[in-house]
Formats: sequence, structure tokens, C-alpha cells
Amino acid sequence: QKEVEQDPGPLSVPEGAIVSLNCTYSNSAFQYFMWYRQYSRKGPELLMYTYSSGNKEDGRFTAQVDKSSKYISLFIRDSQPSDSATYLCAMRGNQFYFGTGTSLTVIP
Amino acid sequence: DGGITQSPKYLFRKEGQNVTLSCEQNLNHDAMYWYRQDPGQGLRLIYYSQIVNDFQKGDIAEGYSVSREKKESFPLTVTSAQKNPTAFYLCASSLAGAKNEQFFGPGTRLTVL
Repeated sequence: QKEVEQDPGPLSVPEGAIVSLNCTYSNSAFQYFMWYRQYSRKGPELLMYTYSSGNKEDGRFTAQVDKSSKYISLFIRDSQPSDSATYLCAMRGNQFYFGTGTSLTVIP
Repeated sequence: DGGITQSPKYLFRKEGQNVTLSCEQNLNHDAMYWYRQDPGQGLRLIYYSQIVNDFQKGDIAEGYSVSREKKESFPLTVTSAQKNPTAFYLCASSLAGAKNEQFFGPGTRLTVL
């Protein structure tokens, strides 16, 4: 079983839609969770960093962690064409564990 | 500007040649990492270093070598022993300690001709 599972998509939504991106994980010891955005041929950019369970909001982005279900989510409100990218989830254990990424396209 | 720089952005290599990818950071981070990214496979850890003059193998270290002579620099050599080196290589860094997030450089695209 992989440490982190992420649906690769692709996901295509109209501009203005609410996007929900999700990951599940197997190690209950993970306490630090990250979401990265990666544009084509660029390095991943850290979007959100959260500790333990709960929600964290930053502008149009909300990260949610449910440790009891081993499930994390990233919500994007009022999605824009510039949000079109691959989104990677990551967790910190004794090293960093990454999902394979979800490809998102926001259609104008 | 604080950040992580990688050079070159694109690199072409003939089979049988060794090449070295550069990674420099001015974030004063203790830990540095090298990942390989292939389509559909996510990020795979090649090597990491928590402190100067020390480094550890990751999941796919075969055919690669690194050095950490300075805190700000962590070059990766892709040797001729690496069977399938064409990939996107990402360098990252973080502060020491389990609660710190990781930041990435812009990447180097290596193509073997």
C-alpha cells in the first residue's frame, strides 16, 4: 500500500466552480500536511501547510485535514484559468511523502 | 531574493557521460533533497542531506551521487550507470526538524540523446 494516494484526474471545471482535491494516507503518525501547485515544467510551489486536524484558509484556498479518516482536501473557490496546474499533496513523516498529483484544468 | 536555484534549466547528455546538476539555496536551510519526477509516478527521492558533509540514500539512489561540502549547495551527479536518466529533477530544502515544510527549486530537465 502506498503511503499517500491521490486521484490523478484529469479534472476539468468551468471558471468560477468550486474545486475539491483529495488525498488519503495510511500512516496515522503524519501530523504535517502540505499542498503544492505545479505548473508545467516548473518546480512545485507551496500553497498550504497545515498541522493536525482542522481547516486553514488562505484567500480562495482552504485546506482541510481529517486525521480520523486519514483524509486531506484542498478546496479552491471561484476557480480561475490561472489555477490550471497539477496539485500535489504531501505529508511529513521521517521524510516527505507525496501524492502523484491531480491535473486540473479550469475552462474560461 | 531568498530561494532555491537550479542550473541548467535544460541539459542534454550523450549516453555514457556523467553530468552534474547544480542546486543552491540562500534560505539558510539545513536539509536539502533531490527528487526525480516522471509522468504518472510522482516525486521519488534520490538523496537527501540533513547537515553538511553528510547525506543519505533515498528510494532510487542507484546511478546517482551527491556531495554536501557547503550548507547552501547540494550538487547531483547523474552517472552513466543510471539506466534511464531522462527525467525532470527537482531540488528542495527545508529547515531541520519534523514540523518544517519543504520548498522546491525550478527544476532541471535532463534528456539523454
